[in-house]
Amino acid sequence: GAVVSQHPSWVICKSGTSVKIECRSLDFQATTMFWYRQFPKQSLMLMATSNEGSKATYEQGVEKDKFLINHASLTLSTLTVTSAHPEDSSFYICSARSQGIIGELFFGEGSRLTVL
Amino acid sequence: AQKVTQAQTEISVVEKEDVTLDCVYETRDTTYYLFWYKQPPSGELVFLIRRNSFDEQNEISGRYSWNFQKSTSSFNFTITASQVVDSAVYFCALGSSNTGKLIFGQGTTLQVKP
Repeated sequence: GAVVSQHPSWVICKSGTSVKIECRSLDFQATTMFWYRQFPKQSLMLMATSNEGSKATYEQGVEKDKFLINHASLTLSTLTVTSAHPEDSSFYICSARSQGIIGELFFGEGSRLTVL
Repeated sequence: AQKVTQAQTEISVVEKEDVTLDCVYETRDTTYYLFWYKQPPSGELVFLIRRNSFDEQNEISGRYSWNFQKSTSSFNFTITASQVVDSAVYFCALGSSNTGKLIFGQGTTLQVKP
């Protein structure tokens, strides 16, 4: 079946550094990818919608300058957390929407970010 | 506004018991999708089912079954003869057929004790 891969699966960084998380669709083309964030013991919240070749659409309350999203190809979207702070520590999950089948969504394994 | 409510925060059962996880949703869309996902302690999201709003047929897959009632905007999930491996957080989600965005419920933590 379709697979979405995220890398890295976990990362620890110092406060003030930037961290890049990749989301790849391995066996299908994804015109749209979504980035979700999940704080401990909470639900998943949509951060932004990423469309290939265009600017991402951010949900209300999400800082676009802090969470940079790039969707340069039909199989890769990246989320960069700039100048990370401890409050950015979270589980980040991407999902990719395949072409042709409406609503066919596949989730990555998630990336756990810990900012010291 | 779109909303998903999972009223049960935590459920604890003993192995082999049946358990039902409730999900109630709100949407103004005429076409939408409903999902259930399992999130084990390792964190990844495991897809369980997707339901189209036009398809109200109940579904059974092994020990899992789903009851979709459009009249009450509910999409409940039942695990029959629960097992310890079923212990996880379960999320119900509402999806837009246009945008693909998902709205997740708060999740229900299921603990199955041996």
